[in-house]
Amino acid sequence: DTEVTQTPKHLVMGMTNKKSLKCEQHMGHRAMYWYKQKAKKPPELMFVYSYEKLSINESVPSRFSPECPNSSLLNLHLHALQPEDSALYLCASSQVGRGASYEQYFGPGTRLTVT
Amino acid sequence: KNQVEQSPQSLIILEGKNCTLQCNYTVSPFSNLRWYKQDTGRGPVSLTIMTFSENTKSNGRYTATLDADTKQSSLHITASQLSDSASYICVVSADWEVGADGLTFGKGTHLIIQP
Repeated sequence: DTEVTQTPKHLVMGMTNKKSLKCEQHMGHRAMYWYKQKAKKPPELMFVYSYEKLSINESVPSRFSPECPNSSLLNLHLHALQPEDSALYLCASSQVGRGASYEQYFGPGTRLTVT
Repeated sequence: KNQVEQSPQSLIILEGKNCTLQCNYTVSPFSNLRWYKQDTGRGPVSLTIMTFSENTKSNGRYTATLDADTKQSSLHITASQLSDSASYICVVSADWEVGADGLTFGKGTHLIIQP
């Protein structure tokens, strides 16, 4: 199983709503990532979890709150978002190690629209 | 600052023709270079991963080359098909001490195959 799954596929939310994005992998990967991607732009790294601990936070606003409840699951909790937060949110996973060619497997993404 | 530059920004070719996409990078210390294919609204899918010692790697009609001395890579697509229409993203990984790999993304080349 080399699949990363993400739910929901599409999400429309108001600026006062609270919602969560979910990501799951069963490849035994101990690194999981959240990326934000605007149209016609490359993915931008938001968060990295390594062994279920937050190892990288790329200065992301606090209205985005990541959570890694176990080695297979990664959540992104959303609260009080702005319309400019509308984007494709990608989850990825990989093995962990130094200098190794560990491939990152991406999920299909959640298309988020903030109204 | 680590950077990945891709060219051309966009490319339109006729079905059946070949094409070559370019990637130049200044990531240091270098760990590996990856080419991803991303269909619109979907997550990136890995095509190849190359380490310092690898010069060429093929995946079906896709052939990637790497010159670690000049810090250049290319992706050659042979006998293009309509399904090759996508964005092709070059991603370079830095050799970090511990934890998950740090990735630098290029902006991608948007390829359109016309019948």
